[in-house]
Amino acid sequence: QKEVEQDPGPLSVPEGAIVSLNCTYSNSAFQYFMWYRQYSRKGPELLMYTYSSGNKEDGRFTAQVDKSSKYISLFIRDSQPSDSATYLCAMRSQSSASKIIFGSGTRLSIRP
Amino acid sequence: EAGVTQSPTHLIKTRGQQATLRCSPISGHTSVYWYQQALGLGLQFLLWYDEGEERNRGNFPPRFSGRQFPNYSSELNVNALELEDSALYLCASSLGRGSGGYTFGSGTRLTVV
Repeated sequence: QKEVEQDPGPLSVPEGAIVSLNCTYSNSAFQYFMWYRQYSRKGPELLMYTYSSGNKEDGRFTAQVDKSSKYISLFIRDSQPSDSATYLCAMRSQSSASKIIFGSGTRLSIRP
Repeated sequence: EAGVTQSPTHLIKTRGQQATLRCSPISGHTSVYWYQQALGLGLQFLLWYDEGEERNRGNFPPRFSGRQFPNYSSELNVNALELEDSALYLCASSLGRGSGGYTFGSGTRLTVV
């Protein structure tokens, strides 16, 4: 079993829709949770960085962490064609600051 | 502010050869990380350097090695290249001792033929 599981998609939604991207994990020691966006032929770009459980909002993006269920989500409101990319969840524990574990990524396509 | 820069952008090598990939971190960042992103496998952690020392290593054979220079730039060396080493190699940097999220470069696409 992988430490972090993420549905690879692809996920295709119409412009303006609310997008929900999710990851599950098995290591209860994970405390820091991240979402990265990766455009084709580019490196991943950090979108959201959260600690422990709860919600964090940044513009059209909301990150949600439920540690009791070992489940994290990223919501994108009013989705735009420019949001089309691969989204990677990532997480690490307090003790393993060096080693961020990434999900395999979900390919998202926003249809105009 | 310049981001993380990697060179070369693309590299084509023959099986058995050696490849050298280079990375310059964001100014002020002392930690450099290397990841391999092979098709369908996601990002796999390779190496972490901080203050010139190798601090952690992923589950890769010893022919994957590297170093960090006094100016915090880093080099990844892959010896005895195999076909399955073909991947996008990403370098990331952060403030010291693995703090915060990482900032990634655009990667080096290594193709082994």
